[in-house]
Amino acid sequence: GQNIDQPTEMTATEGAIVQINCTYQTSGFNGLFWYQQHAGEAPTFLSYNVLDGLEEKGRFSSFLSRSKGYSYLLLKELQMKDSASYLCASDQGGKLIFGQGTELSVKP
Amino acid sequence: SAVISQKPSRDICQRGTSLTIQCQVDSQVTMMFWYRQQPGQSLTLIATANQGSEATYESGFVIDKFPISRPNLTFSTLTVSNMSPEDSSIYLCSDRTGGAYGYTFGSGTRLTVV
Repeated sequence: GQNIDQPTEMTATEGAIVQINCTYQTSGFNGLFWYQQHAGEAPTFLSYNVLDGLEEKGRFSSFLSRSKGYSYLLLKELQMKDSASYLCASDQGGKLIFGQGTELSVKP
Repeated sequence: SAVISQKPSRDICQRGTSLTIQCQVDSQVTMMFWYRQQPGQSLTLIATANQGSEATYESGFVIDKFPISRPNLTFSTLTVSNMSPEDSSIYLCSDRTGGAYGYTFGSGTRLTVV
């Protein structure tokens, strides 16, 4: 199966921390990606996890638990420019399958 | 990671016609993919473009509607055939660079069918 689930929308305040969760089916799993997509633009790569644990990259961190089929993207010190859609995508058998995306609105 | 040039960036087409979208990669890549992103939705994989053989289509997509070519390791085309307004979407190509760099996307083609 290829079901990938993430919340459809979230709202957070500038300067705060937000966690976007993603669950996926584990069969054929080769890695978990997070992408950011602003309206009218192509997705841009944020992070990649293939092993369990937390990967930190500046204000953005991503976590993976392969046994649970679970990942999250953590955004710290939110800025207004972080308002975008965040796409969880699972590399399954050599192809990238996307969740429905989480629309994040950052408010002052 | 590879850089992908995709064109056209946008087009408005009459129903019943066809549009061919091109993607050129600046280096040889093993795998290329085509996605559709309908308004307000995420990306749905249409097919994997295989060099030297027929594309592999996902459930719900067929070759007659979305013929794909992959003549070499740096180029691919997707044709949207016999278009209807329901085909109005953004179409994106992608390549698999592999590992932590993952997949790179073209800038997308915004198609409107009237």
